[in-house]
Amino acid sequence: EAQVTQNPRYLITVTGKKLTVTCSQNMNHEYMSWYRQDPGLGLRQIYYSMNVEVTDKGDVPEGYKVSRKEKRNFPLILESPSPNQTSLYFCASSPLRGNYGYTFGSGTRLTVV
Amino acid sequence: LAKTTQPISMDSYEGQEVNITCSHNNIATNDYITWYQQFPSQGPRFIIQGYKTKVTNEVASLFIPADRKSSTLSLPRVSLSDTAVYYCLVGDIGSDFGNEKLTFGTGTRLTIIP
Repeated sequence: EAQVTQNPRYLITVTGKKLTVTCSQNMNHEYMSWYRQDPGLGLRQIYYSMNVEVTDKGDVPEGYKVSRKEKRNFPLILESPSPNQTSLYFCASSPLRGNYGYTFGSGTRLTVV
Repeated sequence: LAKTTQPISMDSYEGQEVNITCSHNNIATNDYITWYQQFPSQGPRFIIQGYKTKVTNEVASLFIPADRKSSTLSLPRVSLSDTAVYYCLVGDIGSDFGNEKLTFGTGTRLTIIP
């Protein structure tokens, strides 16, 4: 089944403790992206990648890092999480061109205390 | 990137046709219009995409007038399960840089009433 898999689904952590949220897709998509969703603010893009070793900042990149060493994986790294990073996170992928939509993962609900 | 404007919320009764309109006055020549549906705590799901006139699939129809400054998502005979947030996006998906910064905004919260 074509899908984007995020792990974990839920995570509670403490301020300053480094964490990684994994994202993997099995559709051979070039493009991958991370979003965070907060009440009243909609979906905001954190980082995106147009291919292996190519990443760029979205609208709210502060406090996050990403890497794209393989086409299928696009992990989101929080080096020193803070409470304002408590949010619902989504990973998405799509082909680079053509009239295809994004495929989203099921989400990761992160709480930083 | 073209900015989009949608109603914040809409209510409708079961069995009715629902039309959600999105304004995108600054749409560029190469931009496509894409709609997504999102249920609570789930990732958005692609519904439909179009460039001009009318597009129909098994879920919805998308109407785009000749000037392309707006678009209307039409959901026929809605049911309770259509209660969700609907996002309108505009962007150039036909180039190498088309997908890079598609902005979702806050969408339209559609509530279906029994």
